[in-house]
Amino acid sequence: GQSLEQPSEVTAVEGAIVQINCTYQTSGFYGLSWYQQHDGGAPTFLSYNALDGLEETGRFSSFLSRSDSYGYLLLQELQMKDSASYFCAVRDGTSGTYKYIFGTGTRLKVLA
Amino acid sequence: DAGVIQSPRHEVTEMGQEVTLRCKPISGHDYLFWYRQTMMRGLELLIYFNNNVPIDDSGMPEDRFSAKMPNASFSTLKIQPSEPRDSAVYFCASSPTPEVQYNEQFFGPGTRLTVL
Repeated sequence: GQSLEQPSEVTAVEGAIVQINCTYQTSGFYGLSWYQQHDGGAPTFLSYNALDGLEETGRFSSFLSRSDSYGYLLLQELQMKDSASYFCAVRDGTSGTYKYIFGTGTRLKVLA
Repeated sequence: DAGVIQSPRHEVTEMGQEVTLRCKPISGHDYLFWYRQTMMRGLELLIYFNNNVPIDDSGMPEDRFSAKMPNASFSTLKIQPSEPRDSAVYFCASSPTPEVQYNEQFFGPGTRLTVL
């Protein structure tokens, strides 16, 4: 079957670095995305990895290892506004369609 | 561009009533997705369209749910009859052709549905 696992909650202090892990199981993997969602808001795109390695976008970086079915989102220089839920999502091509499957989300709390 | 537009933003209805949610994707986007989000089940893909054609509706929970996309700028998700367990936030998202280098989905603000 298809599944994604990520921690339910992470807490860190302002200015720190935090890593949110995601492991996935799917037979038709095409890529791993990360989305941020503030309470009451809509998910917004952060990054996408189709190939192994690290992608950096400002304070955020995302890593993928396809052989390990594993990825992570790295947030540096944490700010209070980074308090939100973070979702990994797999683009899955099983059965010939390209649908996105989302993890259950990691709630990040940034403390002052 | 105004982004993905959804209406209504909030809907409160009674069990057994028909509910219609509406979505206008970003102009030029080939793909449209309907998601449902609840605390228990997270963000679930219900159905997605490519060029107005439904491609995968395996996430539609049951026959009470139906979705249409009559043209490139409009889609509806209908629940008939509605039940309390349908209470959730329903998101519509659109994206350009998902080539390897470009896979961003743009989400609308969502419709918060409460079925009493």
